[in-house]
Amino acid sequence: DSGVTQTPKHLITATGQRVTLRCSPRSGDLSVYWYQQSLDQGLQFLIQYYNGEERAKGNILERFSAQQFPDLHSELNLSSLELGDSALYFCASSVAGTSFFETQYFGPGTRLLVL
Amino acid sequence: AQSVTQPDIHITVSEGASLELRCNYSYGATPYLFWYVQSPGQGLQLLLKYFSGDTLVQGIKGFEAEFKRSQSSFNLRKPSVHWSDAAEYFCAVGARSSASKIIFGSGTRLSIRP
Repeated sequence: DSGVTQTPKHLITATGQRVTLRCSPRSGDLSVYWYQQSLDQGLQFLIQYYNGEERAKGNILERFSAQQFPDLHSELNLSSLELGDSALYFCASSVAGTSFFETQYFGPGTRLLVL
Repeated sequence: AQSVTQPDIHITVSEGASLELRCNYSYGATPYLFWYVQSPGQGLQLLLKYFSGDTLVQGIKGFEAEFKRSQSSFNLRKPSVHWSDAAEYFCAVGARSSASKIIFGSGTRLSIRP
């Protein structure tokens, strides 16, 4: 158990809908990262937040957005969903997030299925 | 642009045999290099990472990796595999110059033959 929690574990929705994925980092970690793992694209870094502010951006679509709240939990919002958004979405956390060399601890993921 | 290649999609080894998983990267300078393991239904767990210094890096669960600059490789090794090592293994490369760049390989699935 990494100490990172993600809810829900599974999510089934329809095309065009909007969903919110939630992540709680390990106690004391200030940085949260979001990743997408799909059969087509493999594992991709989406975005990083540090203490409430966006720090780094990867291959995140404009239909996707994230935020980190004062209690440090983070939410990933996916809108106008398409079939290709079906994937496993991971959250990870690290102590400071000053570089990617810092050890990240991954949650178990949220499996999203868009029908 | 940085990239990482794991040429082996699936490898099967016998329990107790040695293991080497290949990883080749492309980057203009010395990058950060990582190996992660993903067990079925689980998130990723960091096995080891390389930044600088000794090119032979020791990780958790008895794994090690060797950075070879001349070959642009960072292969993962274990002298004797256990059935619990069956999982997906990902090599990743991170750019030192930009926090936004971390690229994962496509993964190698490891099966263990009893």
